[in-house]
Parts: sequence; C-alpha cells; structure tokens
Amino acid sequence: DAGITQSPRHKVTETGTPVTLRCHQTENHRYMYWYRQDPGHGLRLIHYSYGVKDTDKGEVSDGYSVSRSKTEDFLLTLESATSSQTSVYFCAISDERDSGYTFGSGTRLTVV
Amino acid sequence: AQSVTQPDIHITVSEGASLELRCNYSYGATPYLFWYVQSPGQGLQLLLKYFSGDTLVQGIKGFEAEFKRSQSSFNLRKPSVHWSDAAEYFCAWAGSYQLTFGKGTKLSVIP
Repeated sequence: DAGITQSPRHKVTETGTPVTLRCHQTENHRYMYWYRQDPGHGLRLIHYSYGVKDTDKGEVSDGYSVSRSKTEDFLLTLESATSSQTSVYFCAISDERDSGYTFGSGTRLTVV
Repeated sequence: AQSVTQPDIHITVSEGASLELRCNYSYGATPYLFWYVQSPGQGLQLLLKYFSGDTLVQGIKGFEAEFKRSQSSFNLRKPSVHWSDAAEYFCAWAGSYQLTFGKGTKLSVIP
C-alpha cells in the first residue's frame, strides 16, 4: 500500500542465520506492528511499537526482536532462524491505538 | 480471553448470489470491530469498521456489516457477489494496542 513498504519481498535463508526484515512508512503514524500469517492460524501479532524506542511483545514473540530508532522504520530480527519461522510477515501501521490498520504487501520468508 | 471467531473456514457461492460471512466476538464492552479482505499474494485491505452508533456499517466494494450485541456478532454481507470478490476475509477486534484477528474465511465464487 502507498505509504508503507516492506523489504525484502521474498527471502530464503538457512537455519541458524540471522535475518532482518524492514518496514518503512511515510505516513508519520505512531503505531507499527509485525504480524505473521500461517495457514489455519490467521494473523498473529509478533511485536508492536507505540513510539520511537517504545516496543512490546505480542502473542508469538519468542525468537524475534524488534527495534524502532526512527518513526518511519520498524525492524524485525530473527536472531537465529528456524524452520518454524517460515511464514509470511506483514507490517502494519496506524495513527490511533484502536483505528484500522494499513498493511504492507508482506515478506515471504523461507527458512531451509 | 477476548477473541473473534469465524466459524466458516471456506464458503462457495455463485456469482450474483448474496453473501454473509459470520464473525462472533467475545468481549464484555462494546468492541471496535473490523473486516479486512486479502486477495492472493496481497496484503490486507480494510473493508469497514464499527466503533459505535449506527449498527449497520457500510464499507467499500458494496459490503456492509451489522453489529448485533445480543448475538455478539458482526456479520459481513453483500447482496450480489462478483467473481472479483473471491478472496480471504478476516474479522478483527481492537484491544489494547493491537488488533486480534479471526482465522479467516476463504470465499470462492462460481461463475
């Protein structure tokens, strides 16, 4: 969607390697989120941010870390990728806590 | 725990037929509720949202949803389905700092 971009769009990595996914927004929204989508599970929240350097854990945060040093960028890091982290990862932004989100186009990550 | 449930995993309808996708929520107070659509290989797009007020909400692409507190439901409807509506639909509930999603309903449309 306009105003939010994710990179890379696709990535294949080996088990045990570190991986960083990037979410970049141009909307100056306060809230940013990382979700993963898996068949039969819908979307599950990994981490979210409610401001620069303010982050918190979501439902499935184990094995993931995040950082937000600037309003526009929210990074998701897999410290040591495992096959269970093969998934499609979506970033989302919102300007108010309870408003609807705008989603990025997703990153398809395959861990082999 | 607060949650949303979409009872139907997969629904098939004929083009031109009416559509109703079910969503039930579990939350004490009036929730903030949303419907999103996801086309294959794409991100999620917001169809409509309910915060308060009129319980019948109009959205984009001809969709509407009705909030029924007595039934804890927020069902999505469309009077006449088009082939381009084939996608996956997600109901979501807004809690503290996050949206919680149902597991989705995949819609197939028969020509």
